Amino acid sequence: DAGITQSPRHKVTETGTPVTLRCHQTENHRYMYWYRQDPGHGLRLIHYSYGVKDTDKGEVSDGYSVSRSKTEDFLLTLESATSSQTSVYFCAISGRRLDEQYFGPGTRLTVT
Amino acid sequence: KQEVTQIPAALSVPEGENLVLNCSFTDSAIYNLQWFRQDPGKGLTSLLLIQSSQREQTSGRLNASLDKSSGRSTLYIAASQPGDSATYLCAVRDAGGTSYGKLTFGQGTILTVHP
Repeated sequence: DAGITQSPRHKVTETGTPVTLRCHQTENHRYMYWYRQDPGHGLRLIHYSYGVKDTDKGEVSDGYSVSRSKTEDFLLTLESATSSQTSVYFCAISGRRLDEQYFGPGTRLTVT
Repeated sequence: KQEVTQIPAALSVPEGENLVLNCSFTDSAIYNLQWFRQDPGKGLTSLLLIQSSQREQTSGRLNASLDKSSGRSTLYIAASQPGDSATYLCAVRDAGGTSYGKLTFGQGTILTVHP
């Protein structure tokens, strides 16, 4: 299995509070991604990174920001959480050849 | 914009049956296609990756085919077992230098294999 961890694995937070999710990889892969998975919508890309400090928006980026100061860590921040951001968040990595993507175990976030 | 559709949405079969899961995509300009398995409450496990230049890939009882020109892929599971019960997801990576490996996913097929 690819060395990807996500923290926290579960979180409950209140509307309006900031939340940061962390993805950590031990594979030294260049590309990292954040997806959210929702019933009826499947997996959708939020943001991605193609190197340290190089990030770009995905399909559903509104209300989210990301940062990548080290190769191994990719942070997803909800500046002011809303109930519509209740979801399961997955981090993924891809190597130099952009072939297979490997996914982390996910973070279940509930915004009340 | 790429769209990926998986049919059927759910499938229930008896143990031992051979089965086919279908995936279709609207834009044939893809770099590769990846099949994943997801168990309830878990992450995604990569099953097979097919490059756009390939017609099929095999791993054990799994065989995935790709017909890029018609925008279709199938995942064939031979001699199904109860342990194969899971959601199967298809995802495509578009060609093009700025795609950075972004995947577009189908909604998945929920497979249940009865003993």
